[in-house]
Amino acid sequence: DTAVSQTPKYLVTQMGNDKSIKCEQNLGHDTMYWYKQDSKKFLKIMFSYNNKELIINETVPNRFSPKSPDKAHLNLHINSLELGDSAVYFCASSHPPSSGRETQYFGPGTRLLVL
Amino acid sequence: AQSVSQHNHHVILSEAASLELGCNYSYGGTVNLFWYVQYPGQHLQLLLKYFSGDPLVKGIKGFEAEFIKSKFSFNLRKPSVQWSDTAEYFCAVNARGGYNKLIFGAGTRLAVHP
Repeated sequence: DTAVSQTPKYLVTQMGNDKSIKCEQNLGHDTMYWYKQDSKKFLKIMFSYNNKELIINETVPNRFSPKSPDKAHLNLHINSLELGDSAVYFCASSHPPSSGRETQYFGPGTRLLVL
Repeated sequence: AQSVSQHNHHVILSEAASLELGCNYSYGGTVNLFWYVQYPGQHLQLLLKYFSGDPLVKGIKGFEAEFIKSKFSFNLRKPSVQWSDTAEYFCAVNARGGYNKLIFGAGTRLAVHP
């Protein structure tokens, strides 16, 4: 009965590879997010989708491409991985912006290590 | 642009001590305010939130926070900490009416000694 789930939990890969992280939520939310937490624990938003439409796209290298096949899923694909991509990636979901119920609930995180 | 400042990066307390973690934000409009906690190796969990109404907000595990609009502050408090409160604490804000982009502070690492 996990609310926001992510796979995989750990991902170790070589520089230059392409990898994907998957996120699913069963909270019935319309809006989903990707955040990056760096080695100093600093959290920064990357993307957000509302009802499968991209609404937030921060200054992120275009090697990162989110995809939302439906409201319950938001995947993150990363091309040509670099050492600096090593971080913990958190997925989150919420009711739509400005709904008055936009508290975000976070997944367990995916720890990515690029060697 | 919005920003969030957490004054204490590391706090070390003994059990039963009182806790206050500072959080100030910078934004000219109306905001929603949040405190999240991240226990070692775990995901972020919501401690409490403020959208409107009573500026003194009570959350889970005995935590509370007070929104002081004139000071742009949302400090987190707990009267008596426990060893199990050892964690990283994040203050976050979003602009009401926006796209719900959460801006986080740098976090405060709390260590509670038995």
